[in-house]
Amino acid sequence: NAGVTQTPKFQVLKTGQSMTLQCAQDMNHNSMYWYRQDPGMGLRLIYYSASEGTTDKGEVPNGYNVSRLNKREFSLRLESAAPSQTSVYFCASSETGILPQHFGDGTRLSIL
Amino acid sequence: QKEVEQDPGPLSVPEGAIVSLNCTYSNSAFQYFMWYRQYSRKGPELLMYTYSSGNKEDGRFTAQVDKSSKYISLFIRDSQPSDSATYLCAGQETSGSRLTFGEGTQLTVNP
Repeated sequence: NAGVTQTPKFQVLKTGQSMTLQCAQDMNHNSMYWYRQDPGMGLRLIYYSASEGTTDKGEVPNGYNVSRLNKREFSLRLESAAPSQTSVYFCASSETGILPQHFGDGTRLSIL
Repeated sequence: QKEVEQDPGPLSVPEGAIVSLNCTYSNSAFQYFMWYRQYSRKGPELLMYTYSSGNKEDGRFTAQVDKSSKYISLFIRDSQPSDSATYLCAGQETSGSRLTFGEGTQLTVNP
């Protein structure tokens, strides 16, 4: 039982490049989340998906897009990466949607 | 002003000590409070989830909320080296609404 799996674990991009962060959960959870974690800032919600086919903006959605491909997968896309998007990105899932319960181990993204 | 404030530490204690981790918050609408534990290079894991004021106990962990002073605490009894991690507190206005996290307190329990 893998829980929440994120790929890649590390990535270095140049400013202006695009990339997609992948997330998959095997717990049959309806709700999924994308957070970023920065020093001194705590975890901040980027996007949220209550169920397959629905997505909602969180606290810091600018510069990101998401796709809830199916119940298992929720991807985060940076269309034109900026140095301010250097962060650790966490995907999470929840059975009830009340709060994030299970987190992946993160993707460490550096943008030069 | 941040909605949820935590002293980032680091906090270092000997094994067996009682640990007190604290947060303050400014949003009077918060009704739900959580504590997450995050080991180094890992994602957070949910430890405790409480509603309104009062205490909630789970094994060696006790979460305490004082809404009158906007103060959240997590107590760890008989602390173990395996408790060494960063502890994140969070508040939530209504069930299912967005969480607001503190930046976390780094705890080290020394054998």
